[in-house]
Amino acid sequence: AQSVSQHNHHVILSEAASLELGCNYSYGGTVNLFWYVQYPGQHLQLLLKYFSGDPLVKGIKGFEAEFIKSKFSFNLRKPSVQWSDTAEYFCAVSAANRDDKIIFGKGTRLHILP
Amino acid sequence: KAGVTQTPRYLIKTRGQQVTLSCSPISGHRSVSWYQQTPGQGLQFLFEYFSETQRNKGNFPGRFSGRQFSNSRSEMNVSTLELGDSALYLCASSLGVTALQETQYFGPGTRLLVL
Repeated sequence: AQSVSQHNHHVILSEAASLELGCNYSYGGTVNLFWYVQYPGQHLQLLLKYFSGDPLVKGIKGFEAEFIKSKFSFNLRKPSVQWSDTAEYFCAVSAANRDDKIIFGKGTRLHILP
Repeated sequence: KAGVTQTPRYLIKTRGQQVTLSCSPISGHRSVSWYQQTPGQGLQFLFEYFSETQRNKGNFPGRFSGRQFSNSRSEMNVSTLELGDSALYLCASSLGVTALQETQYFGPGTRLLVL
């Protein structure tokens, strides 16, 4: 069965620090990968997604993620965070080309100190 | 375009009661998924409907059920409520079946408190 692990449950950084949030999944086949973000008081929304092609994916607000197939990872990065990046981040995986459900990680709560 | 709407936004029930939550997807979207979000378990998939058919179901007991209407609106029902059912219930819609390459658009959720 598929599973998604987000190892960092709570991350605290200062503004301008670099960010990397880990996401690992367990599934041997081809996958679709997503990062969703939930800002305080707002709906969950898509940050970026990977289906195929260039494993380095760029999303909104300066975020990017790199798919490393050999490590079953899809880590989220941002070179310089802002206070407005304070939010909860969810990694999600679905099996490509299969009628299967999407699985979300438990989320990482990111707090940026001004 | 209006986003995904969910009603009611807040609900308080007592153990043993049943509850029905409603979700209206973005116009043109045919897929609706339901999730339960709790601090301990995160986002857990409940079920997905596409064109009035249940496509997938998560690992929840039979007390949790849902349906989708011809206009793509969806309802989920929880019978014989337990304290552990207290959670934020999120609905998400997408154009097609989400398990493939569709982006989901989430609603604000219904916060259910079971006393």
